Amino acid sequence: QVQLQESGPGLVKPPQTLSLTCTVSGGSISSGGHYWSWVRQHPETGLEWIGYMFHTGSTYYNPSLKSRATISVDTSKNQFSLNLSSVTAADTAVYYCTRVSSWAIVRGVIKGAFDIWGQGTTVTVSS
Amino acid sequence: DIQMTQSPSSLSASVGDRVTITCRSSQSISTSLNWYRQRPGKAPSLVIYSASILESGVPSRFSGSGSGTDFSLTISSVQPEDFATYFCQQTDSTPPTFGPGTKVDIK
Repeated sequence: QVQLQESGPGLVKPPQTLSLTCTVSGGSISSGGHYWSWVRQHPETGLEWIGYMFHTGSTYYNPSLKSRATISVDTSKNQFSLNLSSVTAADTAVYYCTRVSSWAIVRGVIKGAFDIWGQGTTVTVSS
Repeated sequence: DIQMTQSPSSLSASVGDRVTITCRSSQSISTSLNWYRQRPGKAPSLVIYSASILESGVPSRFSGSGSGTDFSLTISSVQPEDFATYFCQQTDSTPPTFGPGTKVDIK
């Protein structure tokens, strides 16, 4: 079955760029049947959606991140990545990559369910 | 952004109890509502999507209902593996947003 695994540094200094990679196994990102997403979880503020990506490279981001997030895909490695620039302590969280299924685009909005999640990786932002 | 609220924030139950969690959205979201279960130290997992559709592999003791702004998740007979935190999520508009969670623990 499809599995996702996040990787990347656990500690990032402000105001550097946080870089994480999600490796997909058991299925192909290029198959086109799914969107892929990053979500983070703060202990205090809960779950926050970061962005979506399709294998074609199309991306959608949470406006709250003020253009700091970039999601990219490497179909040859069956991976997708997150870069979050100018990090602060507020970006300290557990970061998850997810697959989005049962999706449809309605009036430009991607509606779907996050059916597979990676185990998550803890990122701490501290000098 | 659409705000999601859940009630209660926590509840205690015994194995075999019937449990209902509610979720409310700040504006109508039709049935674009998903439910997730998160066990301690684990990633969330999908339980119900589109308000009432049971995700494949999820036990039939879970059910979801609602449309518009009011939704509920019911566990007909709570099992030990169900003691966890449950989150609702709307995907009717961007950004998709999550509720704050309802923690179900053992009485």
